Amino acid sequence: AQSVTQLDSQVPVFEEAPVELRCNYSSSVSVYLFWYVQYPNQGLQLLLKYLSGSTLVESINGFEAEFNKSQTSFHLRKPSVHISDTAEYFCAGPPGADKLIFGTGTRLQVFP
Amino acid sequence: GAVVSQHPSWVICKSGTSVKIECRSLDFQATTMFWYRQFPKQSLMLMATSNEGSKATYEQGVEKDKFLINHASLTLSTLTVTSAHPEDSSFYICSARDLGQRYEQYFGPGTRLTVT
Repeated sequence: AQSVTQLDSQVPVFEEAPVELRCNYSSSVSVYLFWYVQYPNQGLQLLLKYLSGSTLVESINGFEAEFNKSQTSFHLRKPSVHISDTAEYFCAGPPGADKLIFGTGTRLQVFP
Repeated sequence: GAVVSQHPSWVICKSGTSVKIECRSLDFQATTMFWYRQFPKQSLMLMATSNEGSKATYEQGVEKDKFLINHASLTLSTLTVTSAHPEDSSFYICSARDLGQRYEQYFGPGTRLTVT
């Protein structure tokens, strides 16, 4: 079965430190991967996506993710986090059909 | 662009009543909309896929008579929770896919339903 796995349920980090949120996928078909961010009591906002082309994708607020086919990973990174980055982050991908399946989410908590 | 709205943002209802939640794509046409349910501190669970002009496709374990979905136009889908019970209390999120997209979905802000 195709799946998206987020290995860390919570990641605590101090402000201005680097962070990596891990995501692994399993898929036997074409891979399209997404990272979404969810702030409390809000819907999901697309952070970045990999559809094809360059394996390194970047968002406008400093996050980046690298598609690694050999390791079946799509980890999210930021070199220096802010308090405002505190949120829930979801990795998602299609299981070969039209639907998205989501990982279980990683709670990023940034401390001052 | 690609804005999806939901109404209401939160609703409280009594057990046994029905509640309708609207999902609208504001600046694009969406042939397909999706309804998700999210429990506190958990991931999104896909409930159903809604295609304009046809019956919704429900995921395994989701009662179609309990959660009525209507996708009457390219910009509006509705989810009606019928005969709501406290266990139906949850955060309901819809998403919509643009006509030209295959995988990317745009999410609404969610609706918090509390059944007393």
